[in-house]
Amino acid sequence: GENVGLHLPTLSVQEGDNSIINCAYSNSASDYFIWYKQESGKGPQFIIDIRSNMDKRQGQRVTVLLNKTVKHLSLQIAATQPGDSAVYFCAENKLFNGGSQGNLIFGKGTKLSVKP
Amino acid sequence: ETGVTQSPTHLIKTRGQQVTLRCSSQSGHNTVSWYQQALGQGPQFIFQYYREEENGRGNFPPRFSGLQFPNYSSELNVNALELDDSALYLCASSWRALSRHNSYEQYFGPGTRLTVT
Repeated sequence: GENVGLHLPTLSVQEGDNSIINCAYSNSASDYFIWYKQESGKGPQFIIDIRSNMDKRQGQRVTVLLNKTVKHLSLQIAATQPGDSAVYFCAENKLFNGGSQGNLIFGKGTKLSVKP
Repeated sequence: ETGVTQSPTHLIKTRGQQVTLRCSSQSGHNTVSWYQQALGQGPQFIFQYYREEENGRGNFPPRFSGLQFPNYSSELNVNALELDDSALYLCASSWRALSRHNSYEQYFGPGTRLTVT
């Protein structure tokens, strides 16, 4: 069945380094993916998204890469800062009965810790 | 901040009781989705409301029900609370157009932390 999972549950990086968070998905029909950041006690915060007709999308200090061949998604954070410390989730959009709207399927998350 | 608000922020209930959680969607959004997030897990989809009707549901029993109002705000009701219902309940709003491809972006509120004892 559909599954969105993460390779690493925790990631510790030095401030200023680049971070890479990975995610695997199993539904080859998925056409939309989102990365969310969740800080303790808060709801998930939208970071960046990508549609399946793209393989790379860049935002401010973040880049999402999509490899449909191996069904792999990654989030790259440049010059990681202490404020980036949080749990990061990838999510896959699952359409309702082939319609045009759907719900998000989340993985368990990767906890990113940034060391000063 | 997303503009999605939820109330209350925290709630403690006893097993067997009923609870109602509330959500106000972001301005301009007409679709509301509810998610349950257990500690240390990713959010799990409960259901989605569009134009005051449920148009998608996850693997949750019927004692989880909801409403959406004409102003697009929404309620999540849970009857006969069980200990495993203790979780963070998240509301997310999004925009669904009538005739063209939709935006899949969902913006989350801060959640309601429900504890069942």
